[in-house]
Amino acid sequence: DQQVKQNSPSLSVQEGRISILNCDYTNSMFDYFLWYKKYPAEGPTFLISISSIKDKNEDGRFTVFLNKSAKHLSLHIVPSQPGDSAVYFCAASGPRDDKIIFGKGTRLHILP
Amino acid sequence: GAVVSQHPSRVICKSGTSVKIECRSLDFQATTMFWYRQFPKQSLMLMATSNEGSKATYEQGVEKDKFLINHASLTLSTLTVTSAHPEDSSFYICSAPPTGYNYGYTFGSGTRLTVV
Repeated sequence: DQQVKQNSPSLSVQEGRISILNCDYTNSMFDYFLWYKKYPAEGPTFLISISSIKDKNEDGRFTVFLNKSAKHLSLHIVPSQPGDSAVYFCAASGPRDDKIIFGKGTRLHILP
Repeated sequence: GAVVSQHPSRVICKSGTSVKIECRSLDFQATTMFWYRQFPKQSLMLMATSNEGSKATYEQGVEKDKFLINHASLTLSTLTVTSAHPEDSSFYICSAPPTGYNYGYTFGSGTRLTVV
């Protein structure tokens, strides 16, 4: 069973608008969450992370929100830019950082 | 859904020895497997792409003789770190790309390698 779920395979957003990528998890022991961005033919690159003791972390145009009670996190990109078109992965890790569990990814298309 | 099983999850080995990491696609056939290494800044570096029935494709700067990749079957890909050194200590993770059965990338759970 998937512990980290990204239920939207793809998302299209108009340039300049807000992109919201969602992620759900099932394991309450996860204490660290990460978002990665991936372009074709490249490995995923780290975007932003959040510890379970926080509910929001912001870095430039990227903000991650964590709702522990709902076991849900989201990545907000505002304003969306053409270069944001990529696949975005949500990932989670436990207290000992033994492993990182990835979601399947959401393909974001930024429309001109 | 599609699952990639990666083993071992953690391994400690002595310098100079070799370690094999396996990734198995449990309920689908993966003709391709990506192997990544995670660096301290948390980016995953693509090391190589294994292809069933042919040689792996290595990224620039990755030593082919040190990181042996084999795609033995449609469900098994392996990474062998040969003559391991402490600087090889890292987190290694495999990933199968989307297939007809699976819309998204499927990642293994990763292997934490510590070379002492």
